[in-house]
Amino acid sequence: GQNIDQPTEMTATEGAIVQINCTYQTSGFNGLFWYQQHAGEAPTFLSYNVLDGLEEKGRFSSFLSRSKGYSYLLLKELQMKDSASYLCAVGDSNYQLIWGAGTKLIIKP
Amino acid sequence: DVKVTQSSRYLVKRTGEKVFLECVQDMDHENMFWYRQDPGLGLRLIYFSYDVKMKEKGDIPEGYSVSREKKERFSLILESASTNQTSMYLCASSLPGGETYHEQYFGPGTRLTVT
Repeated sequence: GQNIDQPTEMTATEGAIVQINCTYQTSGFNGLFWYQQHAGEAPTFLSYNVLDGLEEKGRFSSFLSRSKGYSYLLLKELQMKDSASYLCAVGDSNYQLIWGAGTKLIIKP
Repeated sequence: DVKVTQSSRYLVKRTGEKVFLECVQDMDHENMFWYRQDPGLGLRLIYFSYDVKMKEKGDIPEGYSVSREKKERFSLILESASTNQTSMYLCASSLPGGETYHEQYFGPGTRLTVT
């Protein structure tokens, strides 16, 4: 079957660094997406990894290891506005997105 | 600024009613999607469309139908609403796939309650 796992909830402190992990088992792999979703709002695109390695975009970085079926999203210099859910999604062999349940990130002052 | 709009943010309907959810995108995207999002579950694909008048079933199409008469508009229809269709419904659009993926742009969502 197809499965994407990510922690349900994480808590971190303002100004700190947090790493949100995502592991996947899918029929085929055509890249991995990270989206951010604030409560009551639409998901917005953060990053897309299709090759192994680290992609950095400002305070956010995303890492992919295809051999391990593993990705993480790294958020640095956390701000209160980073409190949101972070969704991991994988493109399968049919070019459909398989979504994880999301990780709710709580930032404390 | 790219935009996907949905006809309603909140909707309350009675069991057995026919419900129409409308989605419009202004990015000239070929692909459009309807998802539902429930607590503790990932986004689940109901239907998608790669072109006008074209539709494909997603993972959970039962109880739903769709219509795409124009490129910019994708409608989701609940033929006879039931309480287990109470959910957040999200519409998305993207450029066509192929050898690579393109990000999906989401509308603000419609929170539907069926009583």
